[in-house]
Amino acid sequence: DAKTTQPNSMESNEEEPVHLPCNHSTISGTDYIHWYRQLPSQGPEYVIHGLTSNVNNRMASLAIAEDRKSSTLILHRATLRDAAVYYCILARKGAQKLVFGQGTRLTINP
Amino acid sequence: DVKVTQSSRYLVKRTGEKVFLECVQDMDHENMFWYRQDPGLGLRLIYFSYDVKMKEKGDIPEGYSVSREKKERFSLILESASTNQTSMYLCASSAVTGRVVYGYTFGSGTRLTVV
Repeated sequence: DAKTTQPNSMESNEEEPVHLPCNHSTISGTDYIHWYRQLPSQGPEYVIHGLTSNVNNRMASLAIAEDRKSSTLILHRATLRDAAVYYCILARKGAQKLVFGQGTRLTINP
Repeated sequence: DVKVTQSSRYLVKRTGEKVFLECVQDMDHENMFWYRQDPGLGLRLIYFSYDVKMKEKGDIPEGYSVSREKKERFSLILESASTNQTSMYLCASSAVTGRVVYGYTFGSGTRLTVV
């Protein structure tokens, strides 16, 4: 599986947008980009996934670079509840499983 | 809402005991997974199953076995518990559409302590 690189930690303020970066320079054409987050004392939860085009859902937006070597998860208006570890994962079409890395620990300041 | 239910939130077992961790999902998902999570090591895949009675080893299967007799239930078995199996165990299920695994749903986890 192609690897992803994320910053270990990030900090932002409540009610401001947050841009969480992910580098995946060795991504292949059939690799999907998945984002999950893990709130304290809970299992991870699905946030969003995409292949080439930008994606939006009620939780977040996923912006994928034109060359697909990087992507950004965008939280449009952070709340304290968004404080979590965010995982960026690549998974090839046909892959049966996801491999989680260390993720980015996001802190939200009131 | 999709629910993945793990039978116990906290468990304390003795070294050498046989331990069963149960997981049930209610969304008719094909795939089910067992991970363990340890500080500094992240989530590591133990076993997964893509169909009833089918199982595949993950990255760290040693000391564990699994059972999937029904689609909704996936059990993790520690044949002889050891202290290095003290960990948070997380079960997940996922849908598959067009050969793309997505939308993992995790349970709340079982914190197992082996003494």
